[in-house]
Amino acid sequence: EVQLVESGGGLVKPGGSLRLSCAASGFTFSSYSMNWVRQAPGKGLEWVSSISSSSSYIYYADSVKGRFTISRDNAKNSLYLQMNSLRAEDTAVYYCARDAPTDFDYWGQGTLVTVSS
Amino acid sequence: QSVLTQPPSVSAAPGQKVTISCSGSSSNIGNNYVSWYQQLPGTAPKLLIYDNNKRPSGIPDRFSGSKSGTSATLGITGLQTGDEADYYCGTWDSSLSGVVFGGGTKLTVL
Repeated sequence: EVQLVESGGGLVKPGGSLRLSCAASGFTFSSYSMNWVRQAPGKGLEWVSSISSSSSYIYYADSVKGRFTISRDNAKNSLYLQMNSLRAEDTAVYYCARDAPTDFDYWGQGTLVTVSS
Repeated sequence: QSVLTQPPSVSAAPGQKVTISCSGSSSNIGNNYVSWYQQLPGTAPKLLIYDNNKRPSGIPDRFSGSKSGTSATLGITGLQTGDEADYYCGTWDSSLSGVVFGGGTKLTVL
């Protein structure tokens, strides 16, 4: 059974940093591209970033470019999102999602990031 | 403002049929596959339709997808109260080099 479990969310002050993790199991993690998608409270889905299976290709939404860094460790079956210079508008539930590759076929349960003073 | 345009809400009675539209452009829907996601209240999104019109294993055939030009449509027949959810379309945008989603459509089964 495919499982994606996010962690690392919490309350952080504006300008602060946070690192999210996504632990994958039930599939060959190193064969799939992975993504982060976020959802602000009461709002729709917003794609944040994607990383190819070997980390060769990385993409970011303009809203996070230069502040967020996606990475992965295939030996640990883990996906990461380093978030720096956080802003109030980054407050959201952050989901990791497997790339199928034309869609996101599995999603984690999400981790809440709150940016507030 | 989302790159893909969906109606904010749709509603229909149990047993009826509803369609949800998703409008884009040549840089996204026009030249890429469309997927649809269902998000039940308080849960993570779930893949409903991929590659415009394919259903993952376990998704009932009451759910269907289609695409024409720069628009896509999700159809749901035999509506059930359990179908009440937010529905999102998504696709790759070649100009933005990223994934784009519609703003979401809230389905109410009256």
